Amino acid sequence: SQQGEEDPQALSIQEGENATMNCSYKTSINNLQWYRQNSGRGLVHLILIRSNEREKHSGRLRVTLDTSKKSSSLLITASRAADTASYFCATDEAGGYQKVTFGIGTKLQVIP
Amino acid sequence: DADVTQTPRNRITKTGKRIMLECSQTKGHDRMYWYRQDPGLGLRLIYYSFDVKDINKGEISDGYSVSRQAQAKFSLSLESAIPNQTALYFCATSGRQGPNTGELFFGEGSRLTVL
Repeated sequence: SQQGEEDPQALSIQEGENATMNCSYKTSINNLQWYRQNSGRGLVHLILIRSNEREKHSGRLRVTLDTSKKSSSLLITASRAADTASYFCATDEAGGYQKVTFGIGTKLQVIP
Repeated sequence: DADVTQTPRNRITKTGKRIMLECSQTKGHDRMYWYRQDPGLGLRLIYYSFDVKDINKGEISDGYSVSRQAQAKFSLSLESAIPNQTALYFCATSGRQGPNTGELFFGEGSRLTVL
């Protein structure tokens, strides 16, 4: 079964609004990463947060991590039509396995 | 030129045929991965490799095999393709974040259709 699960699976907002996506995972992790995928293309890395970090910012992106709840959130502020894409969380599992597994993704549509 | 190159980009084949998907990278990374993507299922890990002699099974390795021919090359084979292996396949590489895995860099994908 997959490590991560994003919520919601689909999200539609107006341009200028904020978009929040959540990710839950099952096992202990070394770090958690968020990726973006435009339709049918390769994934592009957005941000990495280590297991000992609680919050991280990059431009209009804010990521939080709560290891006690095994969850993370990605906030995109002041969304743009160009943010329309699918967003995935990925976890680097702890315990020596070091395999990186992905969730099922959130499909974000930003309406101009 | 792309840092992670996958060939072929598209392939249509028939049930029972042997198929090889190839991946090469110029990032100089040790770690390489093969994932498949199906609608509604996200990306699932097939195999991953931390160097030429270190290959590990992922979540869904049955029906697949891999070969790490060199640090820069990691190929995925379907020995006898079946229709439910129709999917979009991605190769990825990563460096390290300290002792752990860092950012993954993805190829553009190989779309495989098995009839």
